[in-house]
Amino acid sequence: NAGVTQTPKFQVLKTGQSMTLQCAQDMNHEYMSWYRQDPGMGLRLIHYSVGAGITDQGEVPNGYNVSRSTTEDFPLRLLSAAPSQTSVYFCASRTTGHKNEKLFFGSGTQLSVL
Amino acid sequence: AQSVTQLGSHVSVSEGALVLLRCNYSSSVPPYLFWYVQYPNQGLQLLLKYTTGATLVKGINGFEAEFKKSETSFHLTKPSAHMSDAAEYFCAVRPMDSSYKLIFGSGTRLLVRP
Repeated sequence: NAGVTQTPKFQVLKTGQSMTLQCAQDMNHEYMSWYRQDPGMGLRLIHYSVGAGITDQGEVPNGYNVSRSTTEDFPLRLLSAAPSQTSVYFCASRTTGHKNEKLFFGSGTQLSVL
Repeated sequence: AQSVTQLGSHVSVSEGALVLLRCNYSSSVPPYLFWYVQYPNQGLQLLLKYTTGATLVKGINGFEAEFKKSETSFHLTKPSAHMSDAAEYFCAVRPMDSSYKLIFGSGTRLLVRP
């Protein structure tokens, strides 16, 4: 099993550019989510989804869009990148079963916005 | 709003010494509690979790944590540190009024001296 796969691993953008961070999982997990990790702040939830066609906002959704057209994929879109979006981004997934709360994380995407 | 506090951004111990990483949460209703570990350049992995039942929870790699409702704490311990334990550790809570939002602490980096 590949688990949770994120691409790219590294990306440099100029302010105002757009891009999509890709996330795919092969575990048939209903729940998928995006976090950003910043020094001294831990991980903060950006958006999440509990199934195809269903998405919701987390703690820091501004500047990011998501969609969930399939169970496997959950891309994160930056429409107009800003330096404040420089961060490490993690995708995570799990089942939605009762008490089955173990999140599986991808290896991250390091994004720099100049 | 729910919050998680990890005391000490860095903890340094000698190999073979006790490891104690502190975590306190703010909630009138005990949430689900987690410890995740992040090794360099990797995503997070679940160490252990508390949902209900026994308050002393055992996890992988010899770690354990005790849920203390009266102290709103969920400290992580390991009797004897190993060099391979060097990593960043995150405490997280899942509030009982939200099935899908995991709130992370700011993290504690564990350094193990030979």
